[in-house]
Amino acid sequence: GAVVSQHPSWVICKSGTSVKIECRSLDFQATTMFWYRQFPKQSLMLMATSNEGSKATYEQGVEKDKFLINHASLTLSTLTVTSAHPEDSSFYICSARGAGAGANVLTFGAGSRLTVL
Amino acid sequence: AQSVTQPDIHITVSEGASLELRCNYSYGATPYLFWYVQSPGQGLQLLLKYFSGDTLVQGIKGFEAEFKRSQSSFNLRKPSVHWSDAAEYFCAVGAWSGGYQKVTFGTGTKLQVIP
Repeated sequence: GAVVSQHPSWVICKSGTSVKIECRSLDFQATTMFWYRQFPKQSLMLMATSNEGSKATYEQGVEKDKFLINHASLTLSTLTVTSAHPEDSSFYICSARGAGAGANVLTFGAGSRLTVL
Repeated sequence: AQSVTQPDIHITVSEGASLELRCNYSYGATPYLFWYVQSPGQGLQLLLKYFSGDTLVQGIKGFEAEFKRSQSSFNLRKPSVHWSDAAEYFCAVGAWSGGYQKVTFGTGTKLQVIP
């Protein structure tokens, strides 16, 4: 079945640094990828929708300059948290939507936990 | 805009007992409905989905869910719970907008299984 890989699974960084999280679809081409943020004991909040070869569409309240999303190929999307601060610490999860028969189901990565000191 | 309500934040059941997790949605048209399970520190795994057709859908790990349009519900059920089912369960509704499907998640129900 469809597999989405996220890397790194856990990253700890100092305040002010930038962190990049990768999301890869391993056995299918993902025309659209989604980035979610999950706070402890809360649901997933959609941050942005990433379409291959075009600019990401951000949800209301999400800072575009803070959370840079790049979807350079049909199998890779990246989320860069720029100038990270402790309040950016969270669990970030990506998901991918394929084409054709797989277009209606999202496949999720295992998530990336970001801890900003 | 679509929304999802999971009224039970935390449920505790005994191993071997039956389980029902509630989910109500709000959407103007026929929605795409999903149930996902998340183990601690992990991503989400799809349990089952409803797009159309038979309103009782079977999923993995012995789970099933029934779509009831009149009640705007999509409750998840399992006849006999196993200790390994302890996790957090998310109901989600998908709606097409602007050429892509936007999925909205409920707040989740944490399931605890006692021996």
